[in-house]
Amino acid sequence: GESVGLHLPTLSVQEGDNSIINCAYSNSASDYFIWYKQESGKGPQFIIDIRSNMDKRQGQRVTVLLNKTVKHLSLQIAATQPGDSAVYFCAESRINTGTASKLTFGTGTRLQVTL
Amino acid sequence: SAVISQKPSRDICQRGTSLTIQCQVDSQVTMMFWYRQQPGQSLTLIATANQGSEATYESGFVIDKFPISRPNLTFSTLTVSNLSPEDSSIYLCSTSGHSYEQYFGPGTRLTVT
Repeated sequence: GESVGLHLPTLSVQEGDNSIINCAYSNSASDYFIWYKQESGKGPQFIIDIRSNMDKRQGQRVTVLLNKTVKHLSLQIAATQPGDSAVYFCAESRINTGTASKLTFGTGTRLQVTL
Repeated sequence: SAVISQKPSRDICQRGTSLTIQCQVDSQVTMMFWYRQQPGQSLTLIATANQGSEATYESGFVIDKFPISRPNLTFSTLTVSNLSPEDSSIYLCSTSGHSYEQYFGPGTRLTVT
């Protein structure tokens, strides 16, 4: 498949451990953030989002933390599984009323899950 | 979430030719976006396609090179013109439903020889 993530930083995690993927965003005016997962040969898959009026949001096995003071976003994956192996991107945006706005993507992190 | 399909899924084209990529959404959406993902890189927005008006291009992308059509609320095309090897990338369309979430199509993998 397409070599997505050839030159990206890599995080290696043992199966069953927790993963933490970090992202620094650039625009202090951004008020909406999304994490995507991209497997080889596929488009980005929406994982979880968070708005700037929150500092934490939880989903199924995933938690996103937002620190607006230092413009930092993190994705925590609990009990990492082999199927979590992929490239993870954060994206930032400014929300227009009622509709999506263009996204600015971070550089991405490749997550490798070892058995 | 919106279901998005793209055609073709991949293509190999000769330099100097053009490729038109289709993006179909299973529901009516206001805004559609086209992104490029160069090998080993992140995604970069090319343009925003609005129904009934001209597309809005990002810095570094021009209409002559990347003409976009948006004939209705479920469909858009991106043409990559006068192809060069530097255009070899994955091209992705995205959209949102009635929320802020954006969903992506599977991408079109273009190789220019």
